[in-house]
Amino acid sequence: AQTVTQSQPEMSVQEAETVTLSCTYDTSENNYYLFWYKQPPSRQMILVIRQEAYKQQNATENRFSVNFQKAAKSFSLKISDSQLGDTAMYFCAFMKHEEGNAGNMLTFGGGTRLMVKP
Amino acid sequence: DSGVTQTPKHLITATGQRVTLRCSPRSGDLSVYWYQQSLDQGLQFLIQYYNGEERAKGNILERFSAQQFPDLHSELNLSSLELGDSALYFCASSGPKPLPLHFGNGTRLTVT
Repeated sequence: AQTVTQSQPEMSVQEAETVTLSCTYDTSENNYYLFWYKQPPSRQMILVIRQEAYKQQNATENRFSVNFQKAAKSFSLKISDSQLGDTAMYFCAFMKHEEGNAGNMLTFGGGTRLMVKP
Repeated sequence: DSGVTQTPKHLITATGQRVTLRCSPRSGDLSVYWYQQSLDQGLQFLIQYYNGEERAKGNILERFSAQQFPDLHSELNLSSLELGDSALYFCASSGPKPLPLHFGNGTRLTVT
């Protein structure tokens, strides 16, 4: 079974600054995906960024980037130029790569509550 | 808009009752996943259906059951409700490949 750990229950950052959210995971799988999801007060689950384990290059989406360290089983999220709209819960999640359509569920970490201060 | 529709948005009911949550997947998606988000347990996977068949089961209680119908919509049935079942229940869909995954806006269940 996979586990995902987010060691920072809460974080805060000043607007326009950079913040890094930590995530570690444990798995015996070699092929998998990692995700960061954002959950604003509206409670929607919004995909921020996705990383395929077989790719060495770190994923980037505009102001969001990850530092994926496969050997260390670490997957941190960096938010640059933080904006007030980034205030939300952030969940790290793991999905193992399965051929076909069985067992492709997400395992979530406990979340990090991020507050962006003006 | 993810294209995944969950109804109702909110549900308030009493202990011991039974409720049904409904999910219509994004057009063309064959897989439906149910997740529960509670204060105690965090976000956890309950069950997956693919084209009408159960494909994977997570931490789903025996009091809970689900099915996926021929039109691909899915229903999650929760019975003998307890206070601890109060949670946000998400449905997500994908397919024919597992990604991308699309989440609905959730059904907030309050058991009093």
